[in-house]
Amino acid sequence: QKEVEQDPGPLSVPEGAIVSLNCTYSNSAFQYFMWYRQYSRKGPELLMYTYSSGNKEDGRFTAQVDKSSKYISLFIRDSQPSDSATYLCAMTNAGGTSYGKLTFGQGTILTVHP
Amino acid sequence: NAGVTQTPKFQVLKTGQSMTLQCAQDMNHEYMSWYRQDPGMGLRLIHYSVGAGITDQGEVPNGYNVSRSTTEDFPLRLLSAAPSQTSVYFCASKGEGRNIQYFGAGTRLSVL
Repeated sequence: QKEVEQDPGPLSVPEGAIVSLNCTYSNSAFQYFMWYRQYSRKGPELLMYTYSSGNKEDGRFTAQVDKSSKYISLFIRDSQPSDSATYLCAMTNAGGTSYGKLTFGQGTILTVHP
Repeated sequence: NAGVTQTPKFQVLKTGQSMTLQCAQDMNHEYMSWYRQDPGMGLRLIHYSVGAGITDQGEVPNGYNVSRSTTEDFPLRLLSAAPSQTSVYFCASKGEGRNIQYFGAGTRLSVL
């Protein structure tokens, strides 16, 4: 069983929809949680970063972490065609952060159609 | 400011051939990593380095060697390529005290 499980989709939504992306994990030592966005044929870029449990909002994006359930989510409001990409969750423990040792989910392919 | 630069962008090898994937960063980052990305597998850590002269293994190190002689460069070597190493390879770097990793554009490798 993978340490981090992410529904690979693909997920197709109309423009303006609310999108929910989720990951579950098994390692209770994970403390830092990230969402990366990866456009086709490009490298991943950091979208959201949260520490421990709680919510973080940045524009149309909200990241939630529930450590008690080992569950993280990314919500995209008013989705746009430009949001079409692969979204990867990633996480690490305190020691792992300092060494860049991220554990990734499989990635969810999102398409937002006009 | 180029960020993280990977070369080549594409490469086709025959089984048993060797090659080096190059990675350079111009942000003076101490931490650099190599990942491979396969369909349905996400990104998996191959090797990482916390500074010049210091490297360590990640989750899938077999078949790969690394060295770090300078802060800027972190090459990944395939000594005897195998079809199982067909993948997209990403190099990443991270500054001290910050949790943001910067990824290169990737190298697409096919081993026939």
